[in-house]
Amino acid sequence: DQQVKQNSPSLSVQEGRISILNCDYTNSMFDYFLWYKKYPAEGPTFLISISSIKDKNEDGRFTVFLNKSAKHLSLHIVPSQPGDSAVYFCAASDSNYQLIWGAGTKLIIKP
Amino acid sequence: ETGVTQTPRHLVMGMTNKKSLKCEQHLGHNAMYWYKQSAKKPLELMFVYSLEERVENNSVPSRFSPECPNSSHLFLHLHTLQPEDSALYLCASSQEQGSDTQYFGPGTRLTVL
Repeated sequence: DQQVKQNSPSLSVQEGRISILNCDYTNSMFDYFLWYKKYPAEGPTFLISISSIKDKNEDGRFTVFLNKSAKHLSLHIVPSQPGDSAVYFCAASDSNYQLIWGAGTKLIIKP
Repeated sequence: ETGVTQTPRHLVMGMTNKKSLKCEQHLGHNAMYWYKQSAKKPLELMFVYSLEERVENNSVPSRFSPECPNSSHLFLHLHTLQPEDSALYLCASSQEQGSDTQYFGPGTRLTVL
């Protein structure tokens, strides 16, 4: 029973265009959401986060949107760059402070 | 550079072997974690240590035995593993157990034959 789901195992986007990575969750008690980025042979690195009291958080080319009623969040990357090619993990946290992770989405940026 | 190192980076072992994975963090954090990353599956939290005390064990088989001798070091002792235990094992640390941002090591790619 996966509480955090990333339904797209992979996504291919043209360089310069917008990349949209999606994440769905089932537990309404989650109050903090994070995106991590992982390159091959490296551990995940923190990218951006959002609290459940917000519906949008922006940091440079990266924006995370949260739709609580739909239990859905998305990560927008614009414009996409070749260095953005990586696996992106969505994670959610509740008051117990454990992170529940999605399975990841592999983003491929085509030149 | 993440400040979290793991050794070895790759490990191949037989089912009767005993081996240990090592994690060291240079960030002055108080909490450390072991995760298992299997292909196309969510990251699985295995163990959580806070101030060297184990605070969480997510129903991990006893063939995995963690050890946290101090707040900077974390070990995962392995014995009589199964082929399905082959995975990437990631160590992470955070300032406190309740901190949402965790810093990950590069992982140990484990293959059990």
